Amino acid sequence: DTAVSQTPKYLVTQMGNDKSIKCEQNLGHDTMYWYKQDSKKFLKIMFSYNNKELIINETVPNRFSPKSPDKAHLNLHINSLELGDSAVYFCASSTDGNTIYFGEGSWLTVV
Amino acid sequence: GENVEQHPSTLSVQEGDSAVIKCTYSDSASNYFPWYKQELGKRPQLIIDIRSNVGEKKDQRIAVTLNKTAKHFSLHITETQPEDSAVYFCAASGGGTSYGKLTFGQGTILTVHP
Repeated sequence: DTAVSQTPKYLVTQMGNDKSIKCEQNLGHDTMYWYKQDSKKFLKIMFSYNNKELIINETVPNRFSPKSPDKAHLNLHINSLELGDSAVYFCASSTDGNTIYFGEGSWLTVV
Repeated sequence: GENVEQHPSTLSVQEGDSAVIKCTYSDSASNYFPWYKQELGKRPQLIIDIRSNVGEKKDQRIAVTLNKTAKHFSLHITETQPEDSAVYFCAASGGGTSYGKLTFGQGTILTVHP
């Protein structure tokens, strides 16, 4: 039933590792996003895809690589994890490019 | 690009009082202004939004006002209840090439004391 679902919910990993977070939406939306929420709760967009095409790519280290196999999925792969990557990563989707529905978040802790 | 400033960063009220959170934005082309509520450990959830062709919108105990000339918008919560305690975020989007890009304010931690 969950509209925007992402896995895993919690991820603890060591510096230098590579990890992926998966996201799927069953709302039929054309646009999907990745947002990062840091320890101060600040929410900032990282990427946006519209019908599998990258439309927003904020200033994000190239260790972060999004992939959209189809318009219902948007995965985030992170290479060579650093301590500063620890945050909550929210996947989201939208049908009109404005009203955004967030997933439950993935809590990433890099140790 | 768009810049959204939100005040106050923390707000403490007694149950039954009103709470007001204010935001300003920089891009005059922005035309969509949502408010999100985030409870501890949960996802941000849309509670109300307003588009630039409307000056005010109300939904039960919450209302949002927009002043396009001054480029600011506010969230008003009346008759606050303890379950209103959360972090509230304003956001703005829609200007020019910023399709689908919501720029968020810094958030306001609202605490409603019983």
